[in-house]
Amino acid sequence: SAVISQKPSRDICQRGTSLTIQCQVDSQVTMMFWYRQQPGQSLTLIATANQGSEATYESGFVIDKFPISRPNLTFSTLTVSNMSPEDSSIYLCSVERGVENYGYTFGSGTRLTVV
Amino acid sequence: AQSVTQLGSHVSVSEGALVLLRCNYSSSVPPYLFWYVQYPNQGLQLLLKYTTGATLVKGINGFEAEFKKSETSFHLTKPSAHMSDAAEYFCAARLSGSARQLTFGSGTQLTVLP
Repeated sequence: SAVISQKPSRDICQRGTSLTIQCQVDSQVTMMFWYRQQPGQSLTLIATANQGSEATYESGFVIDKFPISRPNLTFSTLTVSNMSPEDSSIYLCSVERGVENYGYTFGSGTRLTVV
Repeated sequence: AQSVTQLGSHVSVSEGALVLLRCNYSSSVPPYLFWYVQYPNQGLQLLLKYTTGATLVKGINGFEAEFKKSETSFHLTKPSAHMSDAAEYFCAARLSGSARQLTFGSGTQLTVLP
């Protein structure tokens, strides 16, 4: 069963700056998913990150704003670039678990406040 | 478009009453379905899931859900609400074989009245 370590857990950032969020998984996984949860809202998929290829972004999300790296099968980063107060959200990474105890594991989330 | 719909963004029940939270999906193939709960300022906690097999699934904290293919539904129920059940509930689905991410419904805020 995959365990995800997500950092930082929270941050307060100035507008115009960038923040990089890291997710480390304790096992190799093919896909990692990045979600955003805006205040009082549900989770929205930002992108799917595969090792060795560019991330696939959902409608409304672009690489220049949310660049993603996936250097190996256990690690990924999401950067929130040129932040504005509208980017204040919780950002989560997630992986799909295998056949045994099938499901999804989520990181604990990064609570971002942009001031 | 494939989607997950939760009817009722807010549901209020009295303590001891039946809890019914509705979830419908739109998918070209039978999906894998999940219910999560989120308490204030906390992460997601899995309540239950349906992948294959028995269509009535039991989860934690006395919750259960039934997969009804003919109705494309996966409603969450609990016979008797407890004050501690007050939280946000999300229905989610892996909607098709090629897209392996979870798609979430908009969420239902459950309030339990004394």
